[in-house]
Amino acid sequence: GAVVSQHPSWVICKSGTSVKIECRSLDFQATTMFWYRQFPKQSLMLMATSNEGSKATYEQGVEKDKFLINHASLTLSTLTVTSAHPEDSSFYICSARDQGGTSRYFGPGTRLLVL
Amino acid sequence: DAKTTQPTSMDCAEGRAANLPCNHSTISGNEYVYWYRQIHSQGPQYIIHGLKNNETNEMASLIITEDRKSSTLILPHATLRDTAVYYCIVRVVDTGNQFYFGTGTSLTVIP
Repeated sequence: GAVVSQHPSWVICKSGTSVKIECRSLDFQATTMFWYRQFPKQSLMLMATSNEGSKATYEQGVEKDKFLINHASLTLSTLTVTSAHPEDSSFYICSARDQGGTSRYFGPGTRLLVL
Repeated sequence: DAKTTQPTSMDCAEGRAANLPCNHSTISGNEYVYWYRQIHSQGPQYIIHGLKNNETNEMASLIITEDRKSSTLILPHATLRDTAVYYCIVRVVDTGNQFYFGTGTSLTVIP
């Protein structure tokens, strides 16, 4: 089946620094990618929808200036957590939609710990 | 707005069938029902999806009621590796095809 990768899988950073997370579709072209955040013992919360070549659409309550999303190609989307703080510590998961639009593939997730 | 309701948790004996219910009473005619599962600290894994007809693949079966207001995911012979949180998702076709996750059902397979 289709594969979505994320890099890094684990990141620890100091408060105030920025962290970039990559999401790649490995064997298909993804015109749309989605970014989720998951806190411990909670469900996945959709943060934003990223369309190749255009600006991301953010869910209500998600700060677009804090969570910068770039979707520069059909196989790569990046999420940058700017000026990270301990409350941004979470499990970030990306998802990619194939061009047919009926299937959704998820990455393995990136665990961010902000000290 | 997840549009689905699932029990919070369920147990199932190893080797027995696990039947996970989902209510989606407000589903529209062109919306699909998707099932994913998430094993601890991993990304969600696709299981199966359907529109109206029952579906079966190598992982599971999906039974959708005739009125489409509910569905059941069946794992025919549950193993310990099936312990996970199972999410039933209705594809919201009118909002850019985003997937919104509900709280899911935490399935524990007991030896």
